Amino acid sequence: QVQLVQSGAEVKKPGASVKVSCKASGHTFNNYGIHWLRQAPGQRLEWMGSINRGIGNTKYSQKFQGRVTITRDTSANIAYLELTNLMSEDTAVYYCARLADYQSAFDLWGPGTMVTVSS
Amino acid sequence: DIEMTQSPSSLSASVGDRVTITCRASQAISTYVNWYQQRRGQPPNLLIYVASSLQIGVPSRFSGGGSGTEFTLTISGLQPEDFGTYYCQQNFRSPWTFGQGTKVDIK
Repeated sequence: QVQLVQSGAEVKKPGASVKVSCKASGHTFNNYGIHWLRQAPGQRLEWMGSINRGIGNTKYSQKFQGRVTITRDTSANIAYLELTNLMSEDTAVYYCARLADYQSAFDLWGPGTMVTVSS
Repeated sequence: DIEMTQSPSSLSASVGDRVTITCRASQAISTYVNWYQQRRGQPPNLLIYVASSLQIGVPSRFSGGGSGTEFTLTISGLQPEDFGTYYCQQNFRSPWTFGQGTKVDIK
């Protein structure tokens, strides 16, 4: 089955870091770019960054520059999002999504990982 | 950043109705717009890409149109399973941005 499976919910204190994983199955991981997006409660979706297929270049939203790192382990078909110096405003559901180049759209999404930042 | 603005923010319609959602971009973006449906507690689901192309498996009652700065998503013959929030998204220039969403309720 073609799917993206994400790691479980996290609760973190302000100032901490979180690392969320996204494992691909049923398709060739290296044929697609993986993007990370988030959605705070009641808010619109927000793009955070991506790692492209092939050599794995990364691109980040300027909003998160310096706090976000996206990596991947191609042998294990897993991508990671790490966000540092967490603030309460980072409380959100974090999604990984696959980008289909020919569509230039997110055609497959993970189920989401809830990250709660609270003291 | 390119701002995407949807209207209306919410609507309530009856089964069988024709529903149109509009999305306006803050600058011209050709046809680089995608549309997604999101049900509560679920990730978004791709409906339309490049403004008017129907994603595989999506019912033909969904259609998209527009170019430049104004885009539409139309549901021709609303069905009970079409409830949820609909988002437009531009992929013309990074950072990719989304509209604020249009919540569709079934009367």
